[in-house]
Amino acid sequence: KNQVEQSPQSLIILEGKNCTLQCNYTVSPFSNLRWYKQDTGRGPVSLTIMTFSENTKSNGRYTATLDADTKQSSLHITASQLSDSASYICVVSGQAGTALIFGKGTTLSVSS
Amino acid sequence: GAGVSQTPSNKVTEKGKYVELRCDPISGHTALYWYRQSLGQGPEFLIYFQGTGAADDSGLPNDRFFAVRPEGSVSTLKIQRTERGDSAVYLCASGEQGDTGELFFGEGSRLTVL
Repeated sequence: KNQVEQSPQSLIILEGKNCTLQCNYTVSPFSNLRWYKQDTGRGPVSLTIMTFSENTKSNGRYTATLDADTKQSSLHITASQLSDSASYICVVSGQAGTALIFGKGTTLSVSS
Repeated sequence: GAGVSQTPSNKVTEKGKYVELRCDPISGHTALYWYRQSLGQGPEFLIYFQGTGAADDSGLPNDRFFAVRPEGSVSTLKIQRTERGDSAVYLCASGEQGDTGELFFGEGSRLTVL
């Protein structure tokens, strides 16, 4: 069964600190992997999209990595800010024409 | 409009009633997705349109749920005989290339079934 598992489920860090969120997937065949940020009460907003040939992609303080062999991805957030408090969702796309598969997300809380 | 628009933003209804939720995608986007999100959970896939046709409707939970996109633009998600378990935020997303391109989400329609 195609699945996307994220860890940890929730995380609390101090402002200014770094953190790394994990995503493991079993989707096959694999097309691309995305990370989304979802603020409370809002729709998800895309951070990165990576195909199987890409190992890393950055978007400001967000850096995503992908290991297509082990089917793992991580999202690293550098120098966290209060506005980073949100749910971060890993999404995997399988073969063309099929739906995206969402993980349940990691809820990040950044405190001052 | 500049983004994906969903209406209504909030809908409260009674058990057994019929509900329609509307999604107005970004102009020119051929791919349109409907997702359902319960509190504390990631979005759960419902249906995916490529143009006017449903490319994948395997996520619709039962025959009370139906979605249309007659002209390949606006889509309506229809829920018959609503149940309390249908309460959730219903998210719509659109994109140019569906599974390979960027997807843009609306703010969602929050449905509460009493």
